Amino acid sequence: AQSVTQLGSHVSVSEGALVLLRCNYSSSVPPYLFWYVQYPNQGLQLLLKYTSAATLVKGINGFEAEFKKSETSFHLTKPSAHMSDAAEYFCAVSEGSGGYNKLIFGAGTRLAVHP
Amino acid sequence: NAGVTQTPKFRVLKTGQSMTLLCAQDMNHEYMYWYRQDPGMGLRLIHYSVGEGTTAKGEVPDGYNVSRLKKQNFLLGLESAAPSQTSVYFCASRSSTAKQTQYFGPGTRLLVL
Repeated sequence: AQSVTQLGSHVSVSEGALVLLRCNYSSSVPPYLFWYVQYPNQGLQLLLKYTSAATLVKGINGFEAEFKKSETSFHLTKPSAHMSDAAEYFCAVSEGSGGYNKLIFGAGTRLAVHP
Repeated sequence: NAGVTQTPKFRVLKTGQSMTLLCAQDMNHEYMYWYRQDPGMGLRLIHYSVGEGTTAKGEVPDGYNVSRLKKQNFLLGLESAAPSQTSVYFCASRSSTAKQTQYFGPGTRLLVL
């Protein structure tokens, strides 16, 4: 079974600083990879996804992630943090095929942005 | 489109009580999923459905049952609630052509006393 590891359950940055949220996956074949964001008391919203096209994926709100097969990583970055980026971020990998495809989630990283 | 909706938003149960959580989607998606979210554990899949009348077990199915009698609805049942089932429950749906992108509802917060 696949697994996802998010390094750092809490990350704190200053407004305007670089955001880097780490995600490593275990997979023997190139997977589909996702980053979701969850704002307080809300559901999950898709930020971006990698589906075996370009390795650098751009998402909403200025976020991007780079798929590195050699490192089995899919880290999320944003050049300049904004207060509104404070949320919990989940990395996920797809497992299975067709209708039986499932998402395996990491434990999440809570991002705090301070003035 | 309302997307994925969940009913109720919040519920308190006593140990042993039963309840049903309703998930509805208006996107004509074939696949639907129920997850639970617990602190430090991300989301874990409880059950899922690949079509009307078809369900399958996920990672943590014990204590839950599901039904998908209509394509747009996916019900999650707790027959005898336990404190360990205190959690936030999320429903998601996906199109068969969407490259595994799942769309999530706003969640149901359940407290079992």
